[in-house]
Amino acid sequence: EAGVTQFPSHSVIEKGQTVTLRCDPISGHDNLYWYRRVMGKEIKFLLHFVKESKQDESGMPNNRFLAERTGGTYSTLKVQPAELEDSGVYFCASSQDLLGTSGWSSYEQYFGPGTRLTVT
Amino acid sequence: RKEVEQDPGPFNVPEGATVAFNCTYSNSASQSFFWYRQDCRKEPKLLMSVYSSGNEDGRFTAQLNRASQYISLLIRDSKLSDSATYLCVVTPGGAQKLVFGQGTRLTINP
Repeated sequence: EAGVTQFPSHSVIEKGQTVTLRCDPISGHDNLYWYRRVMGKEIKFLLHFVKESKQDESGMPNNRFLAERTGGTYSTLKVQPAELEDSGVYFCASSQDLLGTSGWSSYEQYFGPGTRLTVT
Repeated sequence: RKEVEQDPGPFNVPEGATVAFNCTYSNSASQSFFWYRQDCRKEPKLLMSVYSSGNEDGRFTAQLNRASQYISLLIRDSKLSDSATYLCVVTPGGAQKLVFGQGTRLTINP
């Protein structure tokens, strides 16, 4: 079974340009998450989709970031215009829902290999 | 204050040694607890979930102390392949997002 895939693996852009990152989750996973790691810092949550709906976007840094998941399959994360502090590794993760004794909860999150973004 | 605090290390230990990592979390409403492993320039991968009763998976033992908001990971008989960064991860109550610690870097020396 294919894992989470991300494209591109690397992107180098100039400040002020636009970049779009893509994530293809594991087939059948309704939950899709975006995370980011900037140099020297911990991995931080950006947002969470359940199918095509944004469940939690509390981690999005500002309105230069736009995430979409049309049709509830793959997702894109667009940064426009990019700033120097946007450099880092952007990870996507997906998970399926699990019905347990206390209701639905999310199962293990599987991460993609990440997109390394460098803004110069 | 960071939500999840870990000693960044690095820890350098000889092969075969036992090594322990600790982590503290600030949100008392945190619901789920994990240790993830991340190899250099790779994605994080789930190593094990951590339960209140403590749990073991082969050479790895995880413990959770909710009263002290403290999580630990013990690796016995360490192998060269255990060299990686170990990430302490929690989920806040009512949310599915993962909150990561900075990670503890471990190097096993031959």
